[in-house]
Amino acid sequence: SQELEQSPQSLIVQEGKNLTINCTSSKTLYGLYWYKQKYGEGLIFLMMLQKGGEEKSHEKITAKLDEKKQQSSLHITASQPSHAGIYLCGADIGNNDMRFGAGTRLTVKP
Amino acid sequence: KAGVTQTPRYLIKTRGQQVTLSCSPISGHRSVSWYQQTPGQGLQFLFEYFSETQRNKGNFPGRFSGRQFSNSRSEMNVSTLELGDSALYLCASSLGSLSNYGYTFGSGTRLTVV
Repeated sequence: SQELEQSPQSLIVQEGKNLTINCTSSKTLYGLYWYKQKYGEGLIFLMMLQKGGEEKSHEKITAKLDEKKQQSSLHITASQPSHAGIYLCGADIGNNDMRFGAGTRLTVKP
Repeated sequence: KAGVTQTPRYLIKTRGQQVTLSCSPISGHRSVSWYQQTPGQGLQFLFEYFSETQRNKGNFPGRFSGRQFSNSRSEMNVSTLELGDSALYLCASSLGSLSNYGYTFGSGTRLTVV
């Protein structure tokens, strides 16, 4: 069964718009990771969140971790075509075991 | 600093054959994990090696096996290939524990079984 639920499954936004992707875990989170993947390629590390309430930003991407809710959100401000791809959240569920959500496919229309 | 290197990038095999995929981790990384990615199942954990020992294993049949060498390079082997084994196989390396260091992924090997 899927232990990480990502929403939405896909997202189409106009360039310049903001967007949010959510990731909810059914198990206790020891760490939450966000990756981006271009089709057929490897995963590019974006951010790692480890503490409840932690928030990290890189360029126009911000990720937050709500440990109590076992949920994380990824927010992109003023989206650009270069942001297009598949965003995956991964959770460390202990014992060096990382599980991934199904991914959110983002399309940014110029 | 070189990233995680996977070879080959693409592979076409026939049902019933076996295949070996290779992964060279980032220099100094001792943990190597393997994942299978398919459109239907997403990313699924295969196994993780640390210092030549398998530390963790996912829920895959015994046809899937792996090993790690003393230089941390890892190989994954799939025997008696089935059509359903067609997938992108990703390797990831880490300095040590996932919770402290996270994973760095390679570009993957795309395996097609015909």
